[in-house]
Amino acid sequence: AQRVTQPEKLLSVFKGAPVELKCNYSYSGSPELFWYVQYSRQRLQLLLRHISRESIKGFTADLNKGETSFHLKKPFAQEEDSAMYYCALRRSSNTGKLIFGQGTTLQVKP
Amino acid sequence: DAGVTQSPTHLIKTRGQQVTLRCSPKSGHDTVSWYQQALGQGPQFIFQYYEEEERQRGNFPDRFSGHQFPNYSSELNVNALLLGDSALYLCASSFSAGSSGNTIYFGEGSWLTVV
Repeated sequence: AQRVTQPEKLLSVFKGAPVELKCNYSYSGSPELFWYVQYSRQRLQLLLRHISRESIKGFTADLNKGETSFHLKKPFAQEEDSAMYYCALRRSSNTGKLIFGQGTTLQVKP
Repeated sequence: DAGVTQSPTHLIKTRGQQVTLRCSPKSGHDTVSWYQQALGQGPQFIFQYYEEEERQRGNFPDRFSGHQFPNYSSELNVNALLLGDSALYLCASSFSAGSSGNTIYFGEGSWLTVV
């Protein structure tokens, strides 16, 4: 079965500290992996996708197929990074069905 | 471009009633998916509509049904409401169900409370 696991419900760090939000997945094929972010009172929006291999707002994520992980990292956290972060998986052959993890709340303290 | 728009934003229904939620996709998008997000959980896929047909369905009972109109807008209907149906219902749109790599955009959601 396809599954996405985000082991931490809450991650609290100080401004300027490194951040790593963990995401592990189970899927037998070659999935597409995403990170979505939801800032307070805003809609869910795409932050990163593994096929783009880009850095957005200083965040990066590398797909590790051996460890079936897609951890989100940022070297220096900013207060404006405080939000709910969801890791999601999509089978490469299908565009509509995303499988989400339970989400991790990132709290960046001043 | 207003992006994905949903209505209503909030509503309260009584157990046993029926509810209809509406969604207009982002301009240029032809595929609409619906998700249920319970409090403290990640969104769960309900179903996807493309070319006015249900193309894929998640693990939801038949009480959940939908429709897509020729202008690509969509409705989610839930019959015989249960307390457990209380959740945020998200609509998402994308272009072309058959193509991988397309970004999925989400609406702000409709908060449904069943009392």
